[in-house]
Amino acid sequence: GQQVMQIPQYQHVQEGEDFTTYCNSSTTLSNIQWYKQRPGGHPVFLIQLVKSGEVKKQKRLTFQFGEAKKNSSLHITATQTTDVGTYFCAGDGGSQGNLIFGKGTKLSVKP
Amino acid sequence: NAGVTQTPKFRILKIGQSMTLQCAQDMNHNYMYWYRQDPGMGLKLIYYSVGAGITDKGEVPNGYNVSRSTTEDFPLRLELAAPSQTSVYFCASSFITIPPYNEQFFGPGTRLTVL
Repeated sequence: GQQVMQIPQYQHVQEGEDFTTYCNSSTTLSNIQWYKQRPGGHPVFLIQLVKSGEVKKQKRLTFQFGEAKKNSSLHITATQTTDVGTYFCAGDGGSQGNLIFGKGTKLSVKP
Repeated sequence: NAGVTQTPKFRILKIGQSMTLQCAQDMNHNYMYWYRQDPGMGLKLIYYSVGAGITDKGEVPNGYNVSRSTTEDFPLRLELAAPSQTSVYFCASSFITIPPYNEQFFGPGTRLTVL
C-alpha cells in the first residue's frame, strides 16, 4: 500500500542551528500537509502544499514540495526551544479527505 | 468554539472489557476521523466518516466500531479490549469544500491502557 517515509526519526540540535526533515512518498501525491505535535499534545496543522515545486514560508519555517510531487521538506532556520516537538508530514490517502502520516521527526533543542 | 473535544482523557481497561471513546466537534465539519498513535509511530487511521450516517474503514479497523448519527458526534467503540489496543487515540475533523484543501483539526486525545 501507499507509504509515506520520513527521515530522520530523531534530530538533536543546539539552539540556533538549522533543522531539516524530509518526507518521501511511494506514490505521487495531490497534496502534502505538515503538522507539529508538542510533547504530550495533539497534532496541529502547519501548512498544506499543493503545486509541484511549491515553496512556502512561515517565519523561520520553509516548506517545499518536490517537482514530481513525491517528496517534501521542512526546514527550520535558527531553531529555538519553542520548536521542540515532533513534525509529521501527511500525504493524501487516495480517498478524499484521508491522510497517510509519516512516522514523524522528533526534534529536541538544547538551549 | 470548543473545536474537537474528546472524553475521557485517560482510561485503564482490563482485557476483555469494552468502552466507548467520545468525540464531538462544534465546527460543522463534514469529515471526522479516528486515529491511533503508538509510541514513536505516526498516526494510523482507524475509521473515518464523510457525513452523518456514513462511515468507512481506515488502515487498522479491526477491534473497533464507529457510528455517526449526527454531524457533531463520532464515538469509537472498543469491544473485547486487548493489550494491543493500548495507545493514544485522536479524533479529528475537517471541512472539505474545495478539494484538495482538507486541514484536519485534532482533539486532545485519549490515552488508553489495556492490562
